Amino acid sequence: QKEVEQNSGPLSVPEGAIASLNCTYSDRGSQSFFWYRQYSGKSPELIMFIYSNGDKEDGRFTAQLNKASQYVSLLIRDSQPSDSATYLCAVFSGGYNKLIFGAGTRLAVHP
Amino acid sequence: GAVVSQHPSRVICKSGTSVKIECRSLDFQATTMFWYRQFPKQSLMLMATSNEGSKATYEQGVEKDKFLINHASLTLSTLTVTSAHPEDSSFYICSARIRDRGYNEQFFGPGTRLTVL
Repeated sequence: QKEVEQNSGPLSVPEGAIASLNCTYSDRGSQSFFWYRQYSGKSPELIMFIYSNGDKEDGRFTAQLNKASQYVSLLIRDSQPSDSATYLCAVFSGGYNKLIFGAGTRLAVHP
Repeated sequence: GAVVSQHPSRVICKSGTSVKIECRSLDFQATTMFWYRQFPKQSLMLMATSNEGSKATYEQGVEKDKFLINHASLTLSTLTVTSAHPEDSSFYICSARIRDRGYNEQFFGPGTRLTVL
């Protein structure tokens, strides 16, 4: 089974700063990539997905994909304490027909 | 759109009993539903993949006779934990993939917290 790797953190950033979350994957054939946010005790919530190389922006969030480097990232601008959560990177594996999740990066935004 | 519900949200049962958890896609048809388990401070663990009208595909190490999955329609899948034991206590989460949408995104239900005494 192919892997998706994330730094577990915690990543601590001050309020208003940019939080940068990174993810690498091993399956070169992966087609689509997802970022989920999970608050403690809650289920994951889809933030955004990306499938083309480059950047995709949605409000304060920007997903970046580099298929050659097998790297996907999520930038959160103007970080707020309410952004404090675990961020899960997921990669769709066509071979297995399912999402492969990373272990998640815990983000802490402090006032 | 893309709302997934789960019922119950929380269940406490005695050891040896069976517990059924329902997962419904409320505003879309789901080709595939997935069942995950998550222990405290650990990552999601996929248990099985469920397609409407066919048998579920279980991940390695997951006992299919213990975790019975039925995907009766394009909007409903159920997970039954049979003869539950304290080690089955966990947070069970389902997700659904939208039919005929090519990006393969999954939407998660709110989860069911199972406590087996």
